[in-house]
Amino acid sequence: QQQVKQSPQSLIVQKGGISIINCAYENTAFDYFPWYQQFPGKGPALLIAIRPDVSEKKEGRFTISFNKSAKQFSLHIMDSQPGDSATYFCAASRITGSARQLTFGSGTQLTVLP
Amino acid sequence: DGGITQSPKYLFRKEGQNVTLSCEQNLNHDAMYWYRQDPGQGLRLIYYSQIVNDFQKGDIAEGYSVSREKKESFPLTVTSAQKNPTAFYLCASGRGGYTFGSGTRLTVV
Repeated sequence: QQQVKQSPQSLIVQKGGISIINCAYENTAFDYFPWYQQFPGKGPALLIAIRPDVSEKKEGRFTISFNKSAKQFSLHIMDSQPGDSATYFCAASRITGSARQLTFGSGTQLTVLP
Repeated sequence: DGGITQSPKYLFRKEGQNVTLSCEQNLNHDAMYWYRQDPGQGLRLIYYSQIVNDFQKGDIAEGYSVSREKKESFPLTVTSAQKNPTAFYLCASGRGGYTFGSGTRLTVV
């Protein structure tokens, strides 16, 4: 119930295309769903996040779609650029006791071809 | 600028040696976390701390130890009991969307 399943493991997209990464969770106690972007040799950086009372959130070229009934959420990158090439992690957060913990997906390595 | 500083960036450990990774934050966050990242895998939680002088084991705490004597600092010691320590170690702080440091790459030589 703690797992967050992420797919695909790797993704290759042409410049200008749409990149789509999917995640699914089981534990309905999760109440915050962030996405992180990580470049090689760097720490992950928060990209965009959503709460389950919202079905979609858009920030620039990045959109999260959230389906609460299916317990699935996805990241869409519109007009993908070579600079978007990175590893993307979805995550799900919940409070356990007095702590808030993040559970991460296994990551998607995105390559955007010029 | 506020952020998290991890040092060193690269660390080499000999067999049977303990090493300590530094993590300092000036974000005034109460909660701090240590994660381990292996190639092609997600982030796995080693230890976390919600307040000074208190910390909890995560999913893979065996072979690691931490301390939290100051709000700003959360060092991680990789002990000789950790049989496969070669990995990328990430420190984070925050409550909802974490802020991560730039990581320490530990290699056993």
